[in-house]
Amino acid sequence: AQSVTQPDIHITVSEGASLELRCNYSYGATPYLFWYVQSPGQGLQLLLKYFSGDTLVQGIKGFEAEFKRSQSSFNLRKPSVHWSDAAEYFCAVGEPGGGNKLTFGTGTQLKVEL
Amino acid sequence: NAGVTQTPKFQVLKTGQSMTLQCAQDMNHNSMYWYRQDPGMGLRLIYYSASEGTTDKGEVPNGYNVSRLNKREFSLRLESAAPSQTSVYFCASSEAPDTPRNTIYFGEGSWLTVV
Repeated sequence: AQSVTQPDIHITVSEGASLELRCNYSYGATPYLFWYVQSPGQGLQLLLKYFSGDTLVQGIKGFEAEFKRSQSSFNLRKPSVHWSDAAEYFCAVGEPGGGNKLTFGTGTQLKVEL
Repeated sequence: NAGVTQTPKFQVLKTGQSMTLQCAQDMNHNSMYWYRQDPGMGLRLIYYSASEGTTDKGEVPNGYNVSRLNKREFSLRLESAAPSQTSVYFCASSEAPDTPRNTIYFGEGSWLTVV
């Protein structure tokens, strides 16, 4: 079964600084990979997803993620963080052919200092 | 466009009571899901419905039942609530079940406390 690890529970960055959130997965082949964001009191919103092809994926709100097969990673990045980016971020894995049942990581809480 | 709507948003139950969480989507999606979110554990799939008329267990189905009432609605029932079911519950939907290529849309969550 696939699993997802987000090693950072909390991250604090200054507004305008760059951001990288880490995600590592365990799966025998190349899975489908997702990043979701959850603002306080809200549901989850899809930021970006990777299925195949170009390993650098662009998403909404200026986010991007890079799939690295050799490291089993799918890290989320943003060049310049805005205060409104403060939220919880979830990495998720889907099994090709396994339907839409996603396995989520435990999340990384992002705090942005002004 | 409301998307995925869940009710109630907040609920406090006593141990042993029953309740139903309601979910409706207006995107004409075939698949619907119920997840629970607990601190430090991310989201875990309780039940899902790949299409109208079908339901299947997810990762943590014990203590829950579901009903896919029609294409729009998917309810989650707690027959005898336990404190371990204190959680935030999310309903979600997607166009089709066969591939995660379809985006999953989430509701805003239902906060349930069992005392």
